[in-house]
Amino acid sequence: DQQVKQNSPSLSVQEGRISILNCDYTNSMFDYFLWYKKYPAEGPTFLISISSIKDKNEDGRFTVFLNKSAKHLSLHIVPSQPGDSAVYFCAASASSGSARQLTFGSGTQLTVLP
Amino acid sequence: NAGVTQTPKFRILKIGQSMTLQCAQDMNHNYMYWYRQDPGMGLKLIYYSVGAGITDKGEVPNGYNVSRSTTEDFPLRLELAAPSQTSVYFCASSRRDPMTNEKLFFGSGTQLSVL
Repeated sequence: DQQVKQNSPSLSVQEGRISILNCDYTNSMFDYFLWYKKYPAEGPTFLISISSIKDKNEDGRFTVFLNKSAKHLSLHIVPSQPGDSAVYFCAASASSGSARQLTFGSGTQLTVLP
Repeated sequence: NAGVTQTPKFRILKIGQSMTLQCAQDMNHNYMYWYRQDPGMGLKLIYYSVGAGITDKGEVPNGYNVSRSTTEDFPLRLELAAPSQTSVYFCASSRRDPMTNEKLFFGSGTQLSVL
């Protein structure tokens, strides 16, 4: 039972255009959401996050939008660059025991074409 | 700054063999984690630790053991390797932050195949 779903395994975008990566979740206890980016043969690296008390968070070319009623979040990358080509994981967090645990989606492979 | 270091990067095991995946961090982080990633799946939490001497199970702990004798090291032990444990293993750490959710710093992973 996947609590965090990334339904698009892959996405191709032209350089300079907008990339939109989507993520849906089912657990209403999630109150913090993160995006991680992963290059081949490397570990994931943190990209951007958003708390459930906000509906938007922006960091340079990256913006995350949260729609709590729809249990949906999206990552916008504008403008897209070839170096953005990577796998993007959505993750959600809820307090559990002594530590917050992250639940990850299956990832979306973004390819930015020059 | 090395961050999170995992060894080995690749390993092939025979069914029933045992091995230890090493993980060390030099950021003085209290929290450490072990995840596994199967093809086409998200990362799943195996075990985590909130400090030296304290460990707890994650979502998929069966077949694994951990210990945390120091702040820096968090080894993952496979006692009787099974084909179902073929996966990429990631170690991660985070600074304890009670006010916000801490971001994780990941190692580069260990590709393990059990044949």
